[in-house]
Amino acid sequence: GQNIDQPTEMTATEGAIVQINCTYQTSGFNGLFWYQQHAGEAPTFLSYNVLDGLEEKGRFSSFLSRSKGYSYLLLKELQMKDSASYLCAVALNYGGSQGNLIFGKGTKLSVKP
Amino acid sequence: DGGITQSPKYLFRKEGQNVTLSCEQNLNHDAMYWYRQDPGQGLRLIYYSQIVNDFQKGDIAEGYSVSREKKESFPLTVTSAQKNPTAFYLCASSIGAGALFFGEGSRLTVL
Repeated sequence: GQNIDQPTEMTATEGAIVQINCTYQTSGFNGLFWYQQHAGEAPTFLSYNVLDGLEEKGRFSSFLSRSKGYSYLLLKELQMKDSASYLCAVALNYGGSQGNLIFGKGTKLSVKP
Repeated sequence: DGGITQSPKYLFRKEGQNVTLSCEQNLNHDAMYWYRQDPGQGLRLIYYSQIVNDFQKGDIAEGYSVSREKKESFPLTVTSAQKNPTAFYLCASSIGAGALFFGEGSRLTVL
């Protein structure tokens, strides 16, 4: 079966740095996505990694190690608006769509003043 | 502005009734998807469509039906056969295997 694990909840302080981990055991791999979802709203795309290493995009960075089945999302200079759920998703194989995308249960991040 | 529009945002249904959720996109994306989100669970794929007049079942298609008569539209019908339909439903689209763009969601409650 396919398995993606993320911590259920995390708490961090405004201005700090937080790392959200995602581990996966899947039958295939064609990239890993991170999405942000505020409560009651739609997810929005944050990052995509298909090769090992770190991808940096402003305050957010995402890392991938395919050999370890591991990714993390790093949020720097935390702001109150970063309070949201962060969804890790693995694309199982290459295809003409994302019909083989598997989502983790998400990590709810609370940023405190 | 380009985007995905879902309607209605909130919907109440009596047991035994079918309901249809609308999803329209003007992003010119070929692929469209329907997901279901329940508290404490990851997004689960109901149906997806890569091209007009073609669609495939996802992991939890039982009790749901879709159509794809136009590129822009991918409505989802929640039938009375769906045993636990109360959930948050998300429509999405993509360019091939690229990132998903989501609509605002439709929250269905069965009374």
